[in-house]
Order: sequence, then C-alpha cells, then structure tokens
Amino acid sequence: AQKITQTQPGMFVQEKEAVTLDCTYDTSDPSYGLFWYKQPSSGEMIFLIYQGSYDQQNATEGRYSLNFQKARKSANLVISASQLGDSAMYFCAMREKSGAAGNKLTFGGGTRVLVKP
Amino acid sequence: ETGVTQSPTHLIKTRGQQVTLRCSSQSGHNTVSWYQQALGQGPQFIFQYYREEENGRGNFPPRFSGLQFPNYSSELNVNALELDDSALYLCASSRRTGRSTDTQYFGPGTRLTVL
Repeated sequence: AQKITQTQPGMFVQEKEAVTLDCTYDTSDPSYGLFWYKQPSSGEMIFLIYQGSYDQQNATEGRYSLNFQKARKSANLVISASQLGDSAMYFCAMREKSGAAGNKLTFGGGTRVLVKP
Repeated sequence: ETGVTQSPTHLIKTRGQQVTLRCSSQSGHNTVSWYQQALGQGPQFIFQYYREEENGRGNFPPRFSGLQFPNYSSELNVNALELDDSALYLCASSRRTGRSTDTQYFGPGTRLTVL
C-alpha cells in the first residue's frame, strides 16, 4: 500500500509567488517524522524541512513552511516567494522503523516544480 | 564540515558484472543508508548500516550487499547486474542520537547504467 502520496506530478509557478505541494501519508505508528527534500537536476537530495508527529507547531525554515494536518494525515510544503532556483523535483518522505533500531525513509513519487520568470 | 561524498559519479557496466559503489559519511555521522532511485521515481530504501552492521533492509535481493567501515564510510556491492539495476544510487548519512529527528543527509549519487 502506498504510504506517501504526492498527487501533483508537476506544476508551474510564477516567480515571486507562493506554491503549495501536497503530501498525504499513511501510518499506524504514533511516532513518526515527515521530511521534505529537493532534488535538482544534478541528482542530490537536499533536506528542506522536518515535522515530527508530536510537534505542536508547524515547522518553518526560511521560505519553507510545512502545513501539518495530523487528523487528515497531510503534510503540505509551502514555498513562499518562489525563485528560479526553486525549479526541481520535491519529495515528501516519512521516517519509519527499519531493523532493530534503525530508521528508513519512505518516499513519495515526487512533484516537479518549474518556476517561470 | 564535510558533506556526504560518493564515488564514482557515473558508471557503465554490462549484465552479469559486479559493481562497488562508495560513500563517505558526513563528519560526525555514524549511520549510512543506501537508496536506489529509478528514473522518474522516488528513492527506494536498500539497507542501512550502523556500527558496521546491517540494521534494516528493504525489498532487495541478497545480491545487493554492503559494508560499513570503522570510519563510518560504506560500500554498496551489487553482483550479477541486471538491466533493471540501472538507477541513481544515493547514500545518506545521519547521526543516531536516540532523538526522533535523525535527519538523513544525502550525497550527490552514483548513476549506474547496465547495458
């Protein structure tokens, strides 16, 4: 079963505007973490922002903020004041247990964002 | 602070061959995870190493194996390469502290092409 769903395969956004990327997740574990990564065409996954399941407030990191709605199991990423350099693939990921004590990331299919000048 | 590095950047192999990919973890990190990313998809977890032992494995066959060294660097070995092994292989390092964050930081990846 799909655990992380990103329903927007691609989107265009005008430079300097805000954009919201959708992410829904499925887990029965009360303790989990949600991450957003950016992947430019170069391939490297760049960590953007983290939200823990017990965090009371939505996470923010500079121009990135996370709209966390726990009851709806959604963790949407908001990028404010888009820049040309924001053009990339964006992945939502959930931390799950793996092995005795390790953690793995389960990724969604990604959303491609293209910022137009 | 040195980030995660991977080598080689690109690699071309033929079916049936064996390949070794290398990863140096970020300074201060003790855990390394490997992911396979096929074209147009999200990364898939292969396995994780902590204190030189495999600590969790995804749905990959035994011909995918790994090592972690005392300096926390790691290798991913793939035997009997198949065409479907063509992908971007990403290494991520993290610092296991017992806290819930354990953010994984990724290297630039190795792009493997199997002909």
